[in-house]
Amino acid sequence: AQTVTQSQPEMSVQEAETVTLSCTYDTSENNYYLFWYKQPPSRQMILVIRQEAYKQQNATENRFSVNFQKAAKSFSLKISDSQLGDTAMYFCAFMNYGQNFVFGPGTRLSVLP
Amino acid sequence: EAQVTQNPRYLITVTGKKLTVTCSQNMNHEYMSWYRQDPGLGLRQIYYSMNVEVTDKGDVPEGYKVSRKEKRNFPLILESPSPNQTSLYFCASSPYQIGQGDRNEQFFGPGTRLTVL
Repeated sequence: AQTVTQSQPEMSVQEAETVTLSCTYDTSENNYYLFWYKQPPSRQMILVIRQEAYKQQNATENRFSVNFQKAAKSFSLKISDSQLGDTAMYFCAFMNYGQNFVFGPGTRLSVLP
Repeated sequence: EAQVTQNPRYLITVTGKKLTVTCSQNMNHEYMSWYRQDPGLGLRQIYYSMNVEVTDKGDVPEGYKVSRKEKRNFPLILESPSPNQTSLYFCASSPYQIGQGDRNEQFFGPGTRLTVL
């Protein structure tokens, strides 16, 4: 069974600074997808960024980028120029081709003014 | 508007009283799934469905039932709820196609807060 680990339960960052959230996963499969989701206080789940395992290039979405290390099974999220609206829970998630979706326990990020 | 809807949004019930949480999507998605969210555990998959009449167990299926009679609907049934099923529940859908990685995004409903006394 796949597992997803987020070793940082809580983090904080000053507005306009850069922060990196860690995620590691365990799987024996070669093809899969990885995601970062954001959950603000409204509880809505919002997709931040996705990465396909067969792609070597790291995904980027505006201020959000990932560092995907397939051999190390690591998938960290970097948020640049942090904004107050980035305050939220962030979940790392893994999906195999069989559609089994596994989430990590989450990292609570606080952006400080 | 493309969306996933869940009803009810909030529910307080008592142990043993059967309940159903409805989920509906208007995006013609093949894939639908149910999750529960508990503090410190993230979201855990309960059941998922890759198409009509096809359902599979996720990581925590005990105490839950689902059905997929229509493509757009995927209700979650608790036949005899217990206090340990108090949680925040999310339904999600996805267009999912193998090899079409850009489409493998799950769209989540707004969540249902369930309390079982």
